[in-house]
Amino acid sequence: LAKTTQPISMDSYEGQEVNITCSHNNIATNDYITWYQQFPSQGPRFIIQGYKTKVTNEVASLFIPADRKSSTLSLPRVSLSDTAVYYCLVGYSTLTFGKGTMLLVSP
Amino acid sequence: AAGVIQSPRHLIKEKRETATLKCYPIPRHDTVYWYQQGPGQDPQFLISFYEKMQSDKGSIPDRFSAQQFSDYHSELNMSSLELGDSALYFCASSGRTAYNSSYEQYFGPGTRLTVT
Repeated sequence: LAKTTQPISMDSYEGQEVNITCSHNNIATNDYITWYQQFPSQGPRFIIQGYKTKVTNEVASLFIPADRKSSTLSLPRVSLSDTAVYYCLVGYSTLTFGKGTMLLVSP
Repeated sequence: AAGVIQSPRHLIKEKRETATLKCYPIPRHDTVYWYQQGPGQDPQFLISFYEKMQSDKGSIPDRFSAQQFSDYHSELNMSSLELGDSALYFCASSGRTAYNSSYEQYFGPGTRLTVT
């Protein structure tokens, strides 16, 4: 299974755009890149998933370069409620959670 | 929309006791996953089932077993409980999408198990 590396923590302010980059140098051909959000004592929540190029939904964008060895989750105009841990995962079905990124959004 | 249901939400057991956690996936989802998340830790994959057959196995202790039933609900059975088993146990479910074979997993609220 591909291993991921992402920053341990990030700080931002309300209204700013936040970009969290994840490295996954050993990603396999059939692996997808998926990002989850987790609040304390709650189950992880799916944010976005992609295979290559750019994917956008109503809450985030995911940028994946051609070599697929990294990906960037972009959260536009964050709010206080976006304070959470964000996990980058690669795989086909089984999810292996690594160390997520603790995003703290301040007023 | 219907979500993943887990029961019980909280469970307190003593060492060496047994516990059974239940998971009811989203309707029409055919795959169930179990995760364990200790205090301050990241979720760790335990085991998964697809169409009632074990599909993948992670770091599940031999003291634990699980199965998926004909109605697709799943149970995680935990025996000889240890203090270190105290954790949040999440169940997730997924179903094959129409466009690809990747699976978006929907997580339940979790069962908080406390072993004393």
